[in-house]
Amino acid sequence: SQQGEEDPQALSIQEGENATMNCSYKTSINNLQWYRQNSGRGLVHLILIRSNEREKHSGRLRVTLDTSKKSSSLLITASRAADTASYFCATGPSGGNTGKLIFGQGTTLQVKP
Amino acid sequence: DGGITQSPKYLFRKEGQNVTLSCEQNLNHDAMYWYRQDPGQGLRLIYYSQIVNDFQKGDIAEGYSVSREKKESFPLTVTSAQKNPTAFYLCASSIGGLAGVNTGELFFGEGSRLTVL
Repeated sequence: SQQGEEDPQALSIQEGENATMNCSYKTSINNLQWYRQNSGRGLVHLILIRSNEREKHSGRLRVTLDTSKKSSSLLITASRAADTASYFCATGPSGGNTGKLIFGQGTTLQVKP
Repeated sequence: DGGITQSPKYLFRKEGQNVTLSCEQNLNHDAMYWYRQDPGQGLRLIYYSQIVNDFQKGDIAEGYSVSREKKESFPLTVTSAQKNPTAFYLCASSIGGLAGVNTGELFFGEGSRLTVL
């Protein structure tokens, strides 16, 4: 079952602009992760934020997590054409040891040069 | 270089045939996973294994089978019972096995695209 829902489904911006993608989920989580997928390729891990963290940075990426609203956002600053890809959030369930992530349906980002 | 290797990259299957997708990792990870991705969709979990000789069904296991005889290998067989097998299949691994409550990051292969003729 899909837990994460990304918004928007598609986003088109100019190079240099910032891109913001949102993810909402339904159940309690241990962590939330963001992945990137170039067309026809595998997914690449970008960043992981734990449930007791509110914000995390990695280079041009900024992730926030609001567990009270069950939502997260991924901000890519100063976007580049090479950032064109699909971005997925994935939630790690709290409790148990299933080790399963649940993926959302993704946001397709197009950065125009 | 450490990583996950999936093969073949492209595969064509006639109706009624079983096909096997290969997934090998040299990351010394305990856990391995198979996901299916349909166009414009997210990933759906088919099977996962947290330790050698053990595996669990995911959300869409019907029509698929797996084995985990070696830590490095987790092949997926798409059987003739899978009625709509055309999709992009992704294999992944992670450090965490049975002992891991915290789900760490997944490392993905480059995928195998299966088309039914």
